[in-house]
Amino acid sequence: AQKITQTQPGMFVQEKEAVTLDCTYDTSDPSYGLFWYKQPSSGEMIFLIYQGSYDQQNATEGRYSLNFQKARKSANLVISASQLGDSAMYFCVYSRDDKIIFGKGTRLHILP
Amino acid sequence: DGGITQSPKYLFRKEGQNVTLSCEQNLNHDAMYWYRQDPGQGLRLIYYSQIVNDFQKGDIAEGYSVSREKKESFPLTVTSAQKNPTAFYLCASSTAGDSGYEQYFGPGTRLTVT
Repeated sequence: AQKITQTQPGMFVQEKEAVTLDCTYDTSDPSYGLFWYKQPSSGEMIFLIYQGSYDQQNATEGRYSLNFQKARKSANLVISASQLGDSAMYFCVYSRDDKIIFGKGTRLHILP
Repeated sequence: DGGITQSPKYLFRKEGQNVTLSCEQNLNHDAMYWYRQDPGQGLRLIYYSQIVNDFQKGDIAEGYSVSREKKESFPLTVTSAQKNPTAFYLCASSTAGDSGYEQYFGPGTRLTVT
């Protein structure tokens, strides 16, 4: 069965520093998608970035990039130049057809 | 403005009562989803629907029911059979139900059952 692991329950980072949130997954499927979502304290889920398993390039969206290492089954989120508004929960999500699995999340705190 | 609406934001019910949470989208999305989130946890899939009049159970469907009579609407009923219904419920939709499409989420409904 597929599994998503986020090993960092909480992180504290100084404003303007880069931060890497870890995500590893376990699957035998050849085709799948990986997402990162942000959940601020208000509760809504905000899509950040997507990586398809066959994509050759690592995905980037503004300050967000995904360090995708398929052989190691890792999909780490990198946030460059962190801002106070980046403080939130971050979820890594595995998706294939009708299977959607959320990791337990990492709570990121940005310090002024 | 296109988006997903969930109402109400906070809902209180007494134990033993069924309660229905609404979810409406005007994004013309085919697929809709219901998730449950417990404090400090990720989301768990309750039910999903890829087309009108069809839906499938997710990982934790017991004690819940859904309907999909219209493309825009996917209400979730939390029945009295759900042993621990107090949670945050999120509805989402996507263009299609395969792995490459991001999901758009509603603001959520926080249900408290006492």
